[in-house]
Amino acid sequence: EVQLVESGGGLVQPGGSLRLSCAASGFTFSSYWMHWVRQAPGKGLVWVSRINSDGGSTSYADSVKGRFTISRDNAKNTLYLQMNSLRAEDTAVYYCARQLSTETPGLGYWGQGTLVTVSS
Amino acid sequence: QSALTQPASVSGSPGQSITISCTGTSSDVGAYNYVSWYQQHPGKAPKLMIYDVSKRPSGVSNRFSGSKSGNAASLTISGLQAEDEADYYCGSYTSSSTHVFGTGTKVTVL
Repeated sequence: EVQLVESGGGLVQPGGSLRLSCAASGFTFSSYWMHWVRQAPGKGLVWVSRINSDGGSTSYADSVKGRFTISRDNAKNTLYLQMNSLRAEDTAVYYCARQLSTETPGLGYWGQGTLVTVSS
Repeated sequence: QSALTQPASVSGSPGQSITISCTGTSSDVGAYNYVSWYQQHPGKAPKLMIYDVSKRPSGVSNRFSGSKSGNAASLTISGLQAEDEADYYCGSYTSSSTHVFGTGTKVTVL
């Protein structure tokens, strides 16, 4: 069974940093592209970032480019999101997600999410 | 990277069919056959309902179907049931190798 478990969320002051982790199990982690998606309270889904299977290619939403860094450790089956220079508008539940298969970008598996609150 | 446009709300009676539209551009919806649809119940993670415009993941009811024409896609739910009441989001891969979601549609079963 595919499982994705996010951790690392919490309360951080504006301008601060936080690193999110997503522990993956139940599949060959190193074979799949992975994504981060966020959802502000009461708002819609917003795609944040993705990384290819070996970590050599990444992509970001304009709103986080230059502040957030996605990475992965295939030996530890773990996905990361390093978030720097955090702003109030980054407050959201952050989900990690896996593509349904290696041949479609549809996000077929999601974690339960971790809440990040940026506030003084 | 503007969000894809969806109607804010759609409603229907049990047993009826409803359709949710998703309008993008030639750089996202119109660029590839990589439109997906997600269902989200309150407090839960999203669930993939349709991928690659019209394909259903294993376990998803055949009451859900998807289509695309040009820069617009749509999700149809037939035989509407109470459990279908949820928020629905479209999503698309883009020509910039990014992804974009729609603005979301709240489906109400009357």
